[in-house]
Amino acid sequence: KTQVEQSPQSLVVRQGENCVLQCNYSVTPDNHLRWFKQDTGKGLVSLTVLVDQKDKTSNGRYSATLDKDAKHSTLHITATLLDDTATYICVVGDRGSALGRLHFGAGTQLIVIP
Amino acid sequence: DMKVTQMPRYLIKRMGENVLLECGQDMSHETMYWYRQDPGLGLQLIYISYDVDSNSEGDIPKGYRVSRKKREHFSLILDSAKTNQTSVYFCASSLGDNYAEQFFGPGTRLTVL
Repeated sequence: KTQVEQSPQSLVVRQGENCVLQCNYSVTPDNHLRWFKQDTGKGLVSLTVLVDQKDKTSNGRYSATLDKDAKHSTLHITATLLDDTATYICVVGDRGSALGRLHFGAGTQLIVIP
Repeated sequence: DMKVTQMPRYLIKRMGENVLLECGQDMSHETMYWYRQDPGLGLQLIYISYDVDSNSEGDIPKGYRVSRKKREHFSLILDSAKTNQTSVYFCASSLGDNYAEQFFGPGTRLTVL
């Protein structure tokens, strides 16, 4: 059973617009949540990690929130650029130790058009 | 320069042939991982290695084995490849625990005919 659900599955925005990606999960316990960016044909690159019960992070044009009570996270991308075209993957870690597991979402495919 | 490398990047094999996928990292990370990525699914963990000769099965280890004889090198072996092992395989490494950031290689696209 999929424990990390991302929406939308795909999204097309015009350059300069803002967008919001959603991540809902049922992983328990939920130690931390990380957002990755995956360019086509490339590996995953970490954008940000959220840890606290209600957490917010910011990394340039990327900002993210986490609500562990709701088991929900969002990734906001401001003023999108063509280079933001990629798949964004939400990953939930169930432990902070090496014994834990990472649970991967299937990703949201973002396409930014001119 | 922190880097995870994978070789080869593309591979086509016939069913029943043996497959060797190689992964290297230059960060002296203790922990290394092998995942596969299939369309519409999240990455699935095949094997995890906590250090040299300290390997554990992940969620889908059947049909795969691994070897880690040096900290910087982690191999994935498919003995007698099957068509359902066609996938993109990613190697990753991290400093140690589950919370630490994982650094991913560029992936190997394997096609088994």
